Parts: sequence; structure tokens; C-alpha cells
Amino acid sequence: DTGVSQDPRHKITKRGQNVTFRCDPISEHNRLYWYRQTLGQGPEFLTYFQNEAQLEKSRLLSDRFSAERPKGSFSTLEIQRTEQGDSAMYLCASEPSGRSSYNEQFFGPGTRLTVL
Amino acid sequence: SQQGEEDPQALSIQEGENATMNCSYKTSINNLQWYRQNSGRGLVHLILIRSNEREKHSGRLRVTLDTSKKSSSLLITASRAADTASYFCATKGGGNKLTFGTGTQLKVEL
Repeated sequence: DTGVSQDPRHKITKRGQNVTFRCDPISEHNRLYWYRQTLGQGPEFLTYFQNEAQLEKSRLLSDRFSAERPKGSFSTLEIQRTEQGDSAMYLCASEPSGRSSYNEQFFGPGTRLTVL
Repeated sequence: SQQGEEDPQALSIQEGENATMNCSYKTSINNLQWYRQNSGRGLVHLILIRSNEREKHSGRLRVTLDTSKKSSSLLITASRAADTASYFCATKGGGNKLTFGTGTQLKVEL
């Protein structure tokens, strides 16, 4: 399968614990995005990487959230001291380089986080 | 924050009928994309229309874009039960991120 993969698919944690999610983009794509989706809503942008550089962060990304893409390939999203409000689906997407107005984003299956 | 709204929020039709969903957005765009999401799963890209295009077709899908009204519509012809899903429009403005609408839940009944 050459699509975007995410791991784990589901995560249940207790409030206050730290969690880390991984995203493996399509191999030739140099842009990688994280979105968050709560029940009944559309996805909301969190952050964006071009290669290893984090170029944009949403105000939704509080200081408890950190994302990395150390070698410009896979990315991790860590949430520290989780809160119940962090419960959501976390989606990763990748996009090829080139003029962005021509490009679609390819989404992974998501990681569903439940904070008890 | 969401870019705009989709209308209707929910739509129920019979198999074989056409389904039309509308999307409104707020700011200028480079392109608009439509995605499908089956319950609890990731998003599947359906079609992309650039800001200088007015209409695009892909199989049973037809998308229109009216930048003067900041609106788009997605038409699914001859719907099937397998089309049951949530449909989202998403816009790309000056940056690279997508800004999604609130979605339309489509149910196609046999």
C-alpha cells in the first residue's frame, strides 16, 4: 500500500498522560499536514511541514502539542498532559511538491484519540 | 475555524436519484476540493476545481464553482447505496492548508 499511513489507529488514554502519533506520507511527497476532526465537524488545520521545516502552525496547536518531521519523511504529533477536549480524530495528509493550486492532499485513515 | 457551510447538513435520497450538495466559503481561493468520508474513516479525495474553472466532471460527479458568489456545488448522478457518506468541501487560499466546510451527510436508500 503506497498511501498515507497512520499509527496507531485508535488510542485510549487517561487525562494527563502523554500520547504520540505517527504519520508516514506518500514517499515522494514533501508536504505533510496534520488536521484534527471532532464529531460532526469538518477537519481543522493544525500544522504543516515542507520537508523537515514546520512552516505553519494553527492557533489550535497549544503549547501542549508538538509536531516534528526530523528527516523530512515521517512525522510525529505529540500531545502532552492530555485533556478530555483533546478527544478527536487526528488526520495526516501529504501533498506533492509543485504549484499547490493544482495539488490534492491525500489523507491517511486517522488516529482516533479518546481521553478518559 | 471552518471556512464556510455546506447545505444541506443532511440529505436522504433513493438509489438512482441525483444528489446535490452546496458549499459556501468566505475568502478568495486558489482551488476548491471535495472529499468523501465514510463513517469514522479518513478522507477520500473526489475532485479539485481551480479558481479559474467553472465546471468539472469526473465519472458521476459534476462540480461547479462560482467565485463571484463564493459557492460551489457537487452533483452525484445516479446515486448508489455505496455513495452513503459525509461529503466535505475544502478550500485552499493563499497558503497551502485546506479549510473545510461543515459537511453534508448523504444517505442513499435502496
